[in-house]
Amino acid sequence: ETGVTQSPTHLIKTRGQQVTLRCSSQSGHNTVSWYQQALGQGPQFIFQYYREEENGRGNFPPRFSGLQFPNYSSELNVNALELDDSALYLCASSGVAYNEQFFGPGTRLTVL
Amino acid sequence: SQQGEEDPQALSIQEGENATMNCSYKTSINNLQWYRQNSGRGLVHLILIRSNEREKHSGRLRVTLDTSKKSSSLLITASRAADTASYFCASDMVDYKLSFGAGTTVTVRA
Repeated sequence: ETGVTQSPTHLIKTRGQQVTLRCSSQSGHNTVSWYQQALGQGPQFIFQYYREEENGRGNFPPRFSGLQFPNYSSELNVNALELDDSALYLCASSGVAYNEQFFGPGTRLTVL
Repeated sequence: SQQGEEDPQALSIQEGENATMNCSYKTSINNLQWYRQNSGRGLVHLILIRSNEREKHSGRLRVTLDTSKKSSSLLITASRAADTASYFCASDMVDYKLSFGAGTTVTVRA
């Protein structure tokens, strides 16, 4: 069974740039959720994708967008980066029958 | 905004002692889950307790849930150095969307 993977591990961008983060879900899982975790805080829900459709969104502006592909992998895109976007971005996959979410190791984004 | 709040924010214990942390949440839930995070890496799922359950055990972990008080507790017995981590409760609202608290940082001293 393959776990959740994310790429890249670390990323440094400057304010105003755009970034794409990638996530491969665990085998057999069709739901991917993205979370933002600022330093010293708990993860905040960004959005969730189920079978390639957005299935709920947290309190994040439209410059945070995503995609899910037919193989259930996913991308998180952030446009017009701001300093406050610096955080650990986590993706998690889940199967149909369970609420347990399996998290990837995260991508550490630094915006300068 | 975060649904849950953990208490205490930080905890330091001696190896072999028990560690207890509490979590409160605001709205009705389907389930409540506890996760562990080591050094700002990915979260590891520890245990899930459903809203109709009151207590659950997994190895050295014991979780309780009191839906009338909207609170949960996590007990780690006979702590080890490897238990040093941040622990988060996450309430399951609908459709697997989790709302996390700010976490409890546990340090186990040798």
